[in-house]
Amino acid sequence: AQSVAQPEDQVNVAEGNPLTVKCTYSVSGNPYLFWYVQYPNRGLQFLLKYITGDNLVKGSYGFEAEFNKSQTSFHLKKPSALVSDSALYFCAVRDMLRRTSGTYKYIFGTGTRLKVLA
Amino acid sequence: DTGVSQNPRHKITKRGQNVTFRCDPISEHNRLYWYRQTLGQGPEFLTYFQNEAQLEKSRLLSDRFSAERPKGSFSTLEIQRTEQGDSAMYLCASSLGTGGRNEQFFGPGTRLTVL
Repeated sequence: AQSVAQPEDQVNVAEGNPLTVKCTYSVSGNPYLFWYVQYPNRGLQFLLKYITGDNLVKGSYGFEAEFNKSQTSFHLKKPSALVSDSALYFCAVRDMLRRTSGTYKYIFGTGTRLKVLA
Repeated sequence: DTGVSQNPRHKITKRGQNVTFRCDPISEHNRLYWYRQTLGQGPEFLTYFQNEAQLEKSRLLSDRFSAERPKGSFSTLEIQRTEQGDSAMYLCASSLGTGGRNEQFFGPGTRLTVL
C-alpha cells in the first residue's frame, strides 16, 4: 500500500532562514508526490508536485521540493522563510483507486506545523 | 481561492440529526472527491465521482453517509443520524483529466460539530 510519513509534528525556523519540511514515501511503482499547505480554517492549497523529470521541483510562493529516489524522500524547502509561511503542511502520494478507469485518490501524511518566528 | 466552494462553512448539530453539505467544483472538472479531516490528521478519502457516477467509496463511509452528484456538477454529502464521532472537517476537491497527474483543488471545507 502507498503511504507517506511526515516525521516532524512541528518545525520552528527564524524568519529569513532556510526551511525544510520532511516527507518520506513508500510506494509500489513510480511515485506521484504532492505538497499542500493549509492555513487556519481554510482548505488545502496546492504548492507543487513531482510526476517525473527533474528531481528539483519548483512551486508556488518560492517553495521547492527535492525528490530523492534512493532515500525515498520528497522534502519541501524554501531558501528564506517568511512569517506568513506559518501554516500546516501536508505531503501526499497518489494511490490508485481503479486500474481500469485510471482513477486515483490521495493519501496524506499527518501534517507538519511550520512556525516562522520574527 | 481555489475555485472550489463549499457550504456551509460551519455546521453545529445535535446527535441524531441529519446534515447535508454542498460542494461546487471548478466547472470544467469532471472528477470530484470528498475527504474527511479530523484534528491532528491529514485528510482521508471518503468517495469519488467521475461526472455523475459515484465510482469509489471508502470503508470510512458508513451506511449513514450518502453522496450524490446530479448532472455531474455540484455534489452533496449527507450524514444521517449524526454521531459525535462524525465531528470533523469535510473537504471537497475536484480535478481534471486522467492518470492522477493533475492536482486536486480543494475547497475551504465544512466543519461539522456534533453535540
